[in-house]
Amino acid sequence: GENVEQHPSTLSVQEGDSAVIKCTYSDSASNYFPWYKQELGKRPQLIIDIRSNVGEKKDQRIAVTLNKTAKHFSLHITETQPEDSAVYFCAASRGAAGNKLTFGGGTRVLVKP
Amino acid sequence: ETGVTQSPTHLIKTRGQQVTLRCSSQSGHNTVSWYQQALGQGPQFIFQYYREEENGRGNFPPRFSGLQFPNYSSELNVNALELDDSALYLCASSTRDRGNWGAFFGQGTRLTVV
Repeated sequence: GENVEQHPSTLSVQEGDSAVIKCTYSDSASNYFPWYKQELGKRPQLIIDIRSNVGEKKDQRIAVTLNKTAKHFSLHITETQPEDSAVYFCAASRGAAGNKLTFGGGTRVLVKP
Repeated sequence: ETGVTQSPTHLIKTRGQQVTLRCSSQSGHNTVSWYQQALGQGPQFIFQYYREEENGRGNFPPRFSGLQFPNYSSELNVNALELDDSALYLCASSTRDRGNWGAFFGQGTRLTVV
């Protein structure tokens, strides 16, 4: 089955700096890669996703890049703000088959004012 | 808000008991997936229902079972509860439409087994 590794497990950045989280996956058939943000005690919130036919996708301050050959994808957050503090999860799935997501272990991001 | 609702929000059960958790999916979504999230970990896939049929199962024993109803809402049943079943249980609704693969989570049910 699919295995997703996520690094780092914790990330502390100064407000205004950039944050980068990296994930690798094992199943070459995976074609959908979402990122979720989970604040303490709340539901995971889909913040951005990318499909395997696209190499990069941006949405305001967040961007995701995908390297299918190397089987890794990354989340980039620019101009970080205190409200970006949360746990971020990457996931992988064969999207067209119904989105059975395999999640990474999570990255706890702390943005220091 | 995602439009996905779960009930109850919190539950305390005794080891050996049975529990039923409920999920109402987002309007227009025909697929419901259930996940178990232990403290400090990522969600783990339990199983998925598509048009009332189980469509894939993760590495969970048969005492974890489910249902999906004609209105696409769903139940997760856990029999013979064990202490290790204590976790946040999340459901996610999605659709198989080609245009949208996003899965949207409910707020979860926090289950504590004592």
